[in-house]
Amino acid sequence: KNQVEQSPQSLIILEGKNCTLQCNYTVSPFSNLRWYKQDTGRGPVSLTIMTFSENTKSNGRYTATLDADTKQSSLHITASQLSDSASYICVVSLFSGGYNKLIFGAGTRLAVHP
Amino acid sequence: GAVVSQHPSRVICKSGTSVKIECRSLDFQATTMFWYRQFPKQSLMLMATSNEGSKATYEQGVEKDKFLINHASLTLSTLTVTSAHPEDSSFYICSASRDRVIDEQFFGPGTRLTVL
Repeated sequence: KNQVEQSPQSLIILEGKNCTLQCNYTVSPFSNLRWYKQDTGRGPVSLTIMTFSENTKSNGRYTATLDADTKQSSLHITASQLSDSASYICVVSLFSGGYNKLIFGAGTRLAVHP
Repeated sequence: GAVVSQHPSRVICKSGTSVKIECRSLDFQATTMFWYRQFPKQSLMLMATSNEGSKATYEQGVEKDKFLINHASLTLSTLTVTSAHPEDSSFYICSASRDRVIDEQFFGPGTRLTVL
């Protein structure tokens, strides 16, 4: 079964600290892996997209890693800010029936406190 | 670029009425649009995929007669929730892609539907 699991479910950190979110997946055939940020009551916004051959990708203070052998990914947030408070969703794409179909994780709810 | 809008952002309706939600790609042509539903503290669940000018493909368990999808142009898709009931209350999000072999989906801001 194609699944994406994220941990932790929720996380509280102090402003300025770093944190790492985890994503494990069992999706085949794998096309790419994406991390999205979703603010409460808003649609998801893409942070990074990685294909099978990419191990790491950065977007400002966000750095995603991918280990396609172990089917694991992480999202590292550096020097957190209050505005980083949101849900972070790991999404794995598989190519099926002529489309890239997205399999969503349940997300990690991050709260950054002052 | 790649902005997707939804209208309305919030809607409250009485049980038994129908509600239409619009999804527009503002600065690109979207050959494929997707409709998702998200319940509180849960992830997005794909409801259906639609291509311009053809019938939508619904995911298993989604009633096509209840959730009517029209993708009449390359910039507009609509989702109509027919005979809405309280259990249809949810956050509905659309996304759009430039081509069939998609490497990026751009999400709209979502529509909060509350059925009384």
